[in-house]
Amino acid sequence: EAEVAQSPRYKITEKSQAVAFWCDPISGHATLYWYRQILGQGPELLVQFQDESVVDDSQLPKDRFSAERLKGVDSTLKIQPAELGDSAMYLCASSFLWEPEAFFGQGTRLTVV
Amino acid sequence: AQSVTQLGSHVSVSEGALVLLRCNYSSSVPPYLFWYVQYPNQGLQLLLKYTSAATLVKGINGFEAEFKKSETSFHLTKPSAHMSDAAEYFCAVTPTGKLIFGQGTTLQVKP
Repeated sequence: EAEVAQSPRYKITEKSQAVAFWCDPISGHATLYWYRQILGQGPELLVQFQDESVVDDSQLPKDRFSAERLKGVDSTLKIQPAELGDSAMYLCASSFLWEPEAFFGQGTRLTVV
Repeated sequence: AQSVTQLGSHVSVSEGALVLLRCNYSSSVPPYLFWYVQYPNQGLQLLLKYTSAATLVKGINGFEAEFKKSETSFHLTKPSAHMSDAAEYFCAVTPTGKLIFGQGTTLQVKP
């Protein structure tokens, strides 16, 4: 069964360091999402891609976060510099173009110390 | 604007008892509605979805939900809880694409 792949599963980094997460969506899915889930809360959208174009990054803290999907397939989310408040689960999801159902990866649990 | 409210951050039931998790939504357009389940340190797994077809939606693992437009609700039910149902449950709404999630409900199942 096709899955959304994310790596790493767990990441511990020191404050002010750079960190990056990778996501490979299900083959054929044009839409890719990055969500952040703070412990005890629901996920919140950080950025949405349609192929290689950003559709929505209104909630992305652009002073420290960046996201790219250069060839319209896999994607990287970067944080530089990391802050203690960035500790969270980062979830990647993908869907067919204009389909509302999104499929989620296993997530990356980030701990900033 | 769309929003979701999940009533009750924690629900505790006995094994074999009815499970009822409440979700109310706000949407300016006909919504798509979803229930997801999340186990510790895992991603989200889709339980069921409402996409404007039948108002009673059946999902995986014996769960179902009923879309009630007049009450703006989409409550999740299961007739008989299993220990394996203990997890975090999220209701979500989308006009198309971006999912807006509720705060989640932790389901505890007691033996």
